[in-house]
Amino acid sequence: GENVEQHPSTLSVQEGDSAVIKCTYSDSASNYFPWYKQELGKRPQLIIDIRSNVGEKKDQRIAVTLNKTAKHFSLHITETQPEDSAVYFCAASEGGTGGGNKLTFGTGTQLKVEL
Amino acid sequence: NAGVTQTPKFQVLKTGQSMTLQCAQDMNHNSMYWYRQDPGMGLRLIYYSASEGTTDKGEVPNGYNVSRLNKREFSLRLESAAPSQTSVYFCASSDDYNSPLHFGNGTRLTVT
Repeated sequence: GENVEQHPSTLSVQEGDSAVIKCTYSDSASNYFPWYKQELGKRPQLIIDIRSNVGEKKDQRIAVTLNKTAKHFSLHITETQPEDSAVYFCAASEGGTGGGNKLTFGTGTQLKVEL
Repeated sequence: NAGVTQTPKFQVLKTGQSMTLQCAQDMNHNSMYWYRQDPGMGLRLIYYSASEGTTDKGEVPNGYNVSRLNKREFSLRLESAAPSQTSVYFCASSDDYNSPLHFGNGTRLTVT
């Protein structure tokens, strides 16, 4: 099955700096890569996703890049703000399944934005 | 439009007791999922249902059973709860392959 590794496990940045979280995956057939943000005690919420036919996608201060050859993808947050503090999860779809969207998640990155 | 609704929000069980976690979605999604979340381990798939009438095992299915009651509802049953099943359980739904998962608010389960 799919294996997703995520680094770092914790990340502390100053307000206004950029933050980068990296993930690698094992299944070369995977073709959908979402990122979720989870605040303390809340449910995971999608912040951005990318499909394998695209190398980069941007939404305001958030961007995701995908390198299919190397099997890694990254989340970039620019001009970080205190409200960006949360746990971020990457995920990869299990390719070739017959319906549904089996996502394998990374173990999460605790991002702390300090004033 | 409530999205994905899970009940209960909290539950405490004694070892050996059984219970069913309920989940319903109102987005007309084909696929539904049950994940558990433990500290430091991310979200792990227990069972999923790609479409009404089908269910399949995920990464950690032992000790659980599921029922896709209809297109809206997908329940998770613990027949004989164990302390190792103490976790936060999330139900999710998605439209189809390679589309985002929408999560419910979770059920915090403690087994003593």
